[in-house]
Amino acid sequence: LAKTTQPISMDSYEGQEVNITCSHNNIATNDYITWYQQFPSQGPRFIIQGYKTKVTNEVASLFIPADRKSSTLSLPRVSLSDTAVYYCLVGDLSGGYNKLIFGAGTRLAVHP
Amino acid sequence: DGGITQSPKYLFRKEGQNVTLSCEQNLNHDAMYWYRQDPGQGLRLIYYSQIVNDFQKGDIAEGYSVSREKKESFPLTVTSAQKNPTAFYLCASSILLAGARVEQFFGPGTRLTVL
Repeated sequence: LAKTTQPISMDSYEGQEVNITCSHNNIATNDYITWYQQFPSQGPRFIIQGYKTKVTNEVASLFIPADRKSSTLSLPRVSLSDTAVYYCLVGDLSGGYNKLIFGAGTRLAVHP
Repeated sequence: DGGITQSPKYLFRKEGQNVTLSCEQNLNHDAMYWYRQDPGQGLRLIYYSQIVNDFQKGDIAEGYSVSREKKESFPLTVTSAQKNPTAFYLCASSILLAGARVEQFFGPGTRLTVL
């Protein structure tokens, strides 16, 4: 299983761009990279998923370098409501999510 | 509305009692999961099921049991054998699409407190 390493916490201010980097040095060929967001006392919410290069959706962008040993979740112009825990997961999805591991995540605090 | 429902939202139990947490999904997803989350920690997989009438132990299955008699339902029983059951329990489901992009959807969670 690919182990991931993320910063424990980050601070930002409203309107800034936030980049959270996840290291996954032993990522396997069939592994995808998935990011989730979790608010207190709620279930995690899927943000974005990718395999290589860049993926963008309405809420975030995911940058994956050619060697795929890391990935960066980019949140443009954050607001107070983006204060949450962000999880980076890496794994082969062909058999479902049972092989993915949720670590402690990155606690993002957005300040006024 | 399509989604995953968990009930109850809060549950209190006396030590030594079994308790069952409900999880229902109307997304027509094949796979369902149960996770446990302790304060300040990530999620740990308890059990998962990829098809009806089949389920597998996750990383922390001891003291828990599940059933999957229907595609849309995956109840979790916390037995008296679970030594530290107070936690936030999350149910999830996902579509089994080999080699394709797959999302996992989570329910709102049940917070279990043992008194």
